[in-house]
Amino acid sequence: AAGVIQSPRHLIKEKRETATLKCYPIPRHDTVYWYQQGPGQDPQFLISFYEKMQSDKGSIPDRFSAQQFSDYHSELNMSSLELGDSALYFCASSLSGAGGNTIYFGEGSWLTVV
Amino acid sequence: AQSVTQLDSQVPVFEEAPVELRCNYSSSVSVYLFWYVQYPNQGLQLLLKYLSGSTLVKGINGFEAEFNKSQTSFHLRKPSVHISDTAEYFCAVSGTSGTYKYIFGTGTRLKVLA
Repeated sequence: AAGVIQSPRHLIKEKRETATLKCYPIPRHDTVYWYQQGPGQDPQFLISFYEKMQSDKGSIPDRFSAQQFSDYHSELNMSSLELGDSALYFCASSLSGAGGNTIYFGEGSWLTVV
Repeated sequence: AQSVTQLDSQVPVFEEAPVELRCNYSSSVSVYLFWYVQYPNQGLQLLLKYLSGSTLVKGINGFEAEFNKSQTSFHLRKPSVHISDTAEYFCAVSGTSGTYKYIFGTGTRLKVLA
């Protein structure tokens, strides 16, 4: 079965640079989530989109922005990168509806800021 | 708002021994509960979930968990562990409406010893 696809899998950027992560949800899933997992930490919710509209916002820095496109793929844009932004970024998707949602996670994109 | 507490940051156990990973949650509303496993340098894989109904939930790889509403717990158990179960285990909670974003616990590192 198709899973959540994230690209790139690994990314190295310098401080103050910009990075863009892409996420392709499972087909027919209408909700996309972004999570950030720092080294040795639990995943922290950043932001989510439902039907291309922002549906919830977590601890996403102002330097970060995200959007969901008409084909439901999503991009997380990170500017003025800081060393502390080095983390594993997960995208996840789900299909909204009654009965409880299971969120399916991608393999993650490793961002290293040097 | 919801929160999750995983009291044990690390649990060492010998191969073929039983294990229990503890998870307690806090919420003012009804919740869905999940356990995810993360192998080194990999994404998050769903082990099992509790949405409603039977409080004993069986998942993949021989794991099960029991939802205890009075104790606000959702402990994960396996009667006999294998070396391959060595991984990080995350308990997560979500509300039963809205965006279904997950709040994760800080994780428990299960290390199975030969």
